[in-house]
Order: sequence, then structure tokens, then C-alpha cells
Amino acid sequence: KQEVTQIPAALSVPEGENLVLNCSFTDSAIYNLQWFRQDPGKGLTSLLLIQSSQREQTSGRLNASLDKSSGRSTLYIAASQPGDSATYLCAAIGGATNKLIFGTGTLLAVQP
Amino acid sequence: NAGVTQTPKFRVLKTGQSMTLLCAQDMNHEYMYWYRQDPGMGLRLIHYSVGEGTTAKGEVPDGYNVSRLKKQNFLLGLESAAPSQTSVYFCASGHVVDGETQYFGPGTRLLVL
Repeated sequence: KQEVTQIPAALSVPEGENLVLNCSFTDSAIYNLQWFRQDPGKGLTSLLLIQSSQREQTSGRLNASLDKSSGRSTLYIAASQPGDSATYLCAAIGGATNKLIFGTGTLLAVQP
Repeated sequence: NAGVTQTPKFRVLKTGQSMTLLCAQDMNHEYMYWYRQDPGMGLRLIHYSVGEGTTAKGEVPDGYNVSRLKKQNFLLGLESAAPSQTSVYFCASGHVVDGETQYFGPGTRLLVL
């Protein structure tokens, strides 16, 4: 059974700092790994999707990496801003019906 | 293109009452999913559907029923609501392509008293 873990559960950093969020999964037989952002009381916004054949994806100040062999993914946020404050969720996509298995998220607070 | 929409946005129920949550998508997706999100638990899959007329159980199906009579709609029913079903419910849909992402609705907040 696939299990996804995110560390740390919460993180507070000063504005401008670079930071890394971690995601680990137990079953390397995944199709893809996806990172989402969730603002308080809101739905999920897809940030980056890394296909199993890729090692990383970049979008603006965000860079996500994937190492299937070790069961790990990281989300790197450069030059953090207060607007980056949110919960970040990673999810492993696997199985015949593309089921998403979510981690419990990292709550990020960027202090001005 | 409205994407994935959910009705209602918020609802308060008393224990034992029933209700149906409606999910609609206009992207012609085959796959549809219902998740619940609870503090500290992440999102967990309740039921899913791989096509019109088909449904299957997910990780936490007890206390819920679903129906997919039309391709664009996926209904989640609570026959006898319990306080443990207080949660935020998200619907999602996706293509029949290996590893394809899912597109999420805005969520329904349900409070069961």
C-alpha cells in the first residue's frame, strides 16, 4: 500500500529565504508525482507534475525533483515571499485508475 | 469551460439526516473521484468512477454511496450523517491517460451536528 509522508509538517521562514519541502513515498511504482498548493479554506491548485521518466520540473521560482529509486521528491522555493504562505501537498499518482495518494502537507508561513 | 463544480459549497446537517453532494465536470473526463480532507489527515479517497455507470470503493468508503448515471456528473450520498463525516469534500476528474493529473473542484464544507 502506497504511503506518502511530508516533512516538515510546518515551516516558518523569513521573506527572501530559499527553502525545501520534502515528500517521500513507499512504493516506487508510480506514474507521476504532483505538488499542489492549498490556501486556507480553498481548493487545490496544481503547481508541478513530474513524470516518472523525468527528474525535475521548474515553474518560475519553483523547482520540483523526483528520485523514484529512493522514493523521494523535493519542492524547492527560491526567494520566498509572504504570498507563498499556504499548505503544500504532494501526491503520488499510480495504479490503473490514476489514483492520487496524498501526503498530509507542509504548512508554510513566510514572514515579511 | 467551468471545469469541475461542486454543489453545495457549505451545508450543516443534523445527525441522521441525509444529503447528496453533486459534482459536475465539462471536460469529458472518464475518471471522477470523491475525496474528504480532515485536519492532519491529508486528502483520502472515498469512491471513484472509471466511467458512466461504474463506481468503486476507495480508501474510506463506509457511510457513503455514489452514483454516476451521467458521464459529467458524480453524486456522493450520505444516507445517515454522523459527526465523524464533518469534513471538506473535494471532487476531481481526469482523463484515461496513465499518470494524468486530476482536476479539482472548489470543495464542499459539511458540518454534522
